[in-house]
Amino acid sequence: EDQVTQSPEALRLQEGESSSLNCSYTVSGLRGLFWYRQDPGKGPEFLFTLYSAGEEKEKERLKATLTKKESFLHITAPKPEDSATYLCAVQAGGSNNAGNMLTFGGGTRLMVKP
Amino acid sequence: DGGITQSPKYLFRKEGQNVTLSCEQNLNHDAMYWYRQDPGQGLRLIYYSQIVNDFQKGDIAEGYSVSREKKESFPLTVTSAQKNPTAFYLCASRRDRNTGELFFGEGSRLTVL
Repeated sequence: EDQVTQSPEALRLQEGESSSLNCSYTVSGLRGLFWYRQDPGKGPEFLFTLYSAGEEKEKERLKATLTKKESFLHITAPKPEDSATYLCAVQAGGSNNAGNMLTFGGGTRLMVKP
Repeated sequence: DGGITQSPKYLFRKEGQNVTLSCEQNLNHDAMYWYRQDPGQGLRLIYYSQIVNDFQKGDIAEGYSVSREKKESFPLTVTSAQKNPTAFYLCASRRDRNTGELFFGEGSRLTVL
């Protein structure tokens, strides 16, 4: 069974204090790993897709990296407006995933204090 | 602007009543999805549709029903058979039915009184 585990569940940072969020996954044949940002009461907003180990993508203060077992979302010098829940999802390519569904992790709630 | 529109944003229901949540997209995407989100939990798939007039059950389909009569629309009915319907419901679409990112609507929060 495909599994996605995000850690920590919650993270408090001071403004400017860089850190990383972790997404560990177990899937049969990764077809894609997705990062989303979700603000309270809103739908998730797409950030990145990673397809193969070693791949990296950046957007402003965020950088996502991928290995064969996990992905990290690095936040450099965060600002209060980066406060949100960050979700990770994977799409498996095995025969058990005929519908090509995404499996989501529980999310990391990030709070950045000024 | 292209996007996904969910309505209503907030809905209150008495026990025993069916309610229908609307989801409309103008992105010309083939595939559409309904997820349920509970506090502290990941998104769980209720139903999905990869083509008009066809849909499949997800992981937690019991107590829910859907239809896909038009490419743009994928309404979700929460029936009285759903034992714990209070939740945040998210509709999503994907351009390619086989791969790629999902695009989400703003969500509908259902509260059963």
